[in-house]
Amino acid sequence: SYELTQPPSVSVSPGQTARITCSGDRLGDKYSSWYQQKPGQSPALVIYEDDKRPSGIPERFSGSNSGSTATLTISGTQAMDEADYYCQAWDSSTAVFGGGTKLTVL
Amino acid sequence: QMQLVQSGAEVKKPGASVKVSCKASGYTFSSFDINWVRQATGQGLEWVGWMNPHSGSADYAKNFQGRVSMTRNTSISTAYMELRNLRSEDTGVYYCARGFGLGNGEDWFDPWGQGTLVTVSS
Repeated sequence: SYELTQPPSVSVSPGQTARITCSGDRLGDKYSSWYQQKPGQSPALVIYEDDKRPSGIPERFSGSNSGSTATLTISGTQAMDEADYYCQAWDSSTAVFGGGTKLTVL
Repeated sequence: QMQLVQSGAEVKKPGASVKVSCKASGYTFSSFDINWVRQATGQGLEWVGWMNPHSGSADYAKNFQGRVSMTRNTSISTAYMELRNLRSEDTGVYYCARGFGLGNGEDWFDPWGQGTLVTVSS
């Protein structure tokens, strides 16, 4: 079965740029999306179709996808961005999620 | 605004069934798929399956095939997920989410319901 691999954790200082990667076989041939989940809350879509932001998502969130890696980039990271982030893609009519990355802003 | 409101927490014994509801508002219910995603406590997200509210057709992840059914009542804009023959490993929070996308069935999920905790314990 298809797998998406994310680093378990990423740390960033406030105001700096955070990059969270997601790796999968020929992931660049598929559309990727990213979900943010804060403690005790439901996941929320922050990037879809590789690099599109839903309305209401700040411009500091951006995405890219090429080769075997999709990347979520948060520019000027704020304390409120501390959360778990999950990448997602479809393979053989099945939605697959990465294992999640805990972003710590310190 | 678009909103999905789910039914309350459930406690079930192994071997029992559970049916979770998901009521949509703020958009045309029959025009977008409803997906279901499970999250075990402290774990990641696992896709359960999706349903087309217009046609009633559904597709399920291999891990759940044979035990899950997704249905709807369009008159009250509500989707349902029933999971049968529960085991302790089914304990977790179940989310519904509206699917939108390019029309090829490969949806993105937005918004999500608040989640329903299902606990399976003897």
